[in-house]
Amino acid sequence: DTAVSQTPKYLVTQMGNDKSIKCEQNLGHDTMYWYKQDSKKFLKIMFSYNNKELIINETVPNRFSPKSPDKAHLNLHINSLELGDSAVYFCASSHVAGTSGGGKTTYNEQFFGPGTRLTVL
Amino acid sequence: GENVEQHPSTLSVQEGDSAVIKCTYSDSASNYFPWYKQELGKRPQLIIDIRSNVGEKKDQRIAVTLNKTAKHFSLHITETQPEDSAVYFCAASIGGSNYKLTFGKGTLLTVNP
Repeated sequence: DTAVSQTPKYLVTQMGNDKSIKCEQNLGHDTMYWYKQDSKKFLKIMFSYNNKELIINETVPNRFSPKSPDKAHLNLHINSLELGDSAVYFCASSHVAGTSGGGKTTYNEQFFGPGTRLTVL
Repeated sequence: GENVEQHPSTLSVQEGDSAVIKCTYSDSASNYFPWYKQELGKRPQLIIDIRSNVGEKKDQRIAVTLNKTAKHFSLHITETQPEDSAVYFCAASIGGSNYKLTFGKGTLLTVNP
């Protein structure tokens, strides 16, 4: 079974259109992320949600609006698409990282989805 | 914020040789350093990680070393095989509830048979 899934896998659209990408994870994780990978393969965090609450927003244009209806889903809606939005978008999820009792810091592996290749013409 | 530099950007080795990829980070508070492998057209996958309280970690043919004083860490792959060919990303993170990974720009490793 696919742990982190994204739809669609490919998305080709015209400039100015609005589109959405959906992400679902069945790992029971409470933290989800969106990354953008450009043509040079650079991976950059865009957003992170923990228990449906936005915790990271990396100065992404407000044309990008993430929405988390529940812990297992994190969707990305993009308004007024531009040529520069062409990239592969990866969703990822992990258990929450944090500091537990006694001051122990925990880190958790991020599991990536298969990616959505967005091409804006 | 954190800045991660990764070198080289491309690396070509003969099958059976070793490969080393190096990364430096800027934020001395970073304390978690994972490495991801991304095969062509596939998703990034974690292959090994190291915490700041450890200097070295091995897993079969791969190993990672960390020098906190110099703020650099390296990935070592021994006895390379063609299936090791991929893009490798290092990353750094500060632990905590808002932890996020800052990735290096990746190294394209090609293992020639």
